[in-house]
Amino acid sequence: GAVVSQHPSWVICKSGTSVKIECRSLDFQATTMFWYRQFPKQSLMLMATSNEGSKATYEQGVEKDKFLINHASLTLSTLTVTSAHPEDSSFYICSAVNPSGRRNEQFFGPGTRLTVL
Amino acid sequence: AQTVTQSQPEMSVQEAETVTLSCTYDTSESNYYLFWYKQPPSRQMILVIRQEAYKQQNATENRFSVNFQKAAKSFSLKISDSQLGDTAMYFCAFVVGGSQGNLIFGKGTKLSVKP
Repeated sequence: GAVVSQHPSWVICKSGTSVKIECRSLDFQATTMFWYRQFPKQSLMLMATSNEGSKATYEQGVEKDKFLINHASLTLSTLTVTSAHPEDSSFYICSAVNPSGRRNEQFFGPGTRLTVL
Repeated sequence: AQTVTQSQPEMSVQEAETVTLSCTYDTSESNYYLFWYKQPPSRQMILVIRQEAYKQQNATENRFSVNFQKAAKSFSLKISDSQLGDTAMYFCAFVVGGSQGNLIFGKGTKLSVKP
C-alpha cells in the first residue's frame, strides 16, 4: 500500500526558534502533498498544497512567511515553522496523492505534535 | 461555498450492533468524490470508504457501507457488527474531481463502541 511518513512525531521547542517537519512518501512518487493543522478535538484544517518543483499554494489566513513549505523532490515535502510561538502548538498532518493510485485518494502521515514553550 | 456537515458530534453503540453516522455536503460541482476517514486515538487518518459521485451504487467495504443520496447531498456511513476497535473520530470529506485534490472535511463524529 501507499505509505507516508512524518518526522519527527513529536517536537518541543522554545519560543522564537524554527522547527522543520518532514513528510515522505515511502513507496510512491507524490507530485502533490498537503499540509493540515489539527487542534484538539477539531477537524483538519488545510494549510497549504505543495506541488513538486513549484511554490506552495497557501489557504487564506495562513502566513506563508511563517509556515515555509518546500517540495524539493517527488518523495519529500517539508514544513518549517519559523519563529515559533506557543499559539503555533498543534498537531500537523501531511498527506500525499499517489498519481498511480485511485483518483483523488490521499494517504496521510502519522502526524507531528508540536509544542512551543 | 463547499461545505461538509456532520450533525452528530458524539455517538455511542454497543459492541456487535449497528450504527449510522450522518453527513451532508454542499457543492455545485457534478464531479466529485466522497470519503469517510477514521482517526483513532493514535491520530493516524485511515480511509474507511470511498464513493465516486457518478456511481449510483453504494460503496461497501466489509462491515462498512454508505447510503449515498446524490440529490439530497447526503452520504451516511453504516457500521455493522461494531467492534471495540471502531472507537474513533470519523470524518466525512469530499474532493472536487479535476481540482488540486484538497479535501474538504466535516467537523467529525466521535464514535464510542461500548462492550
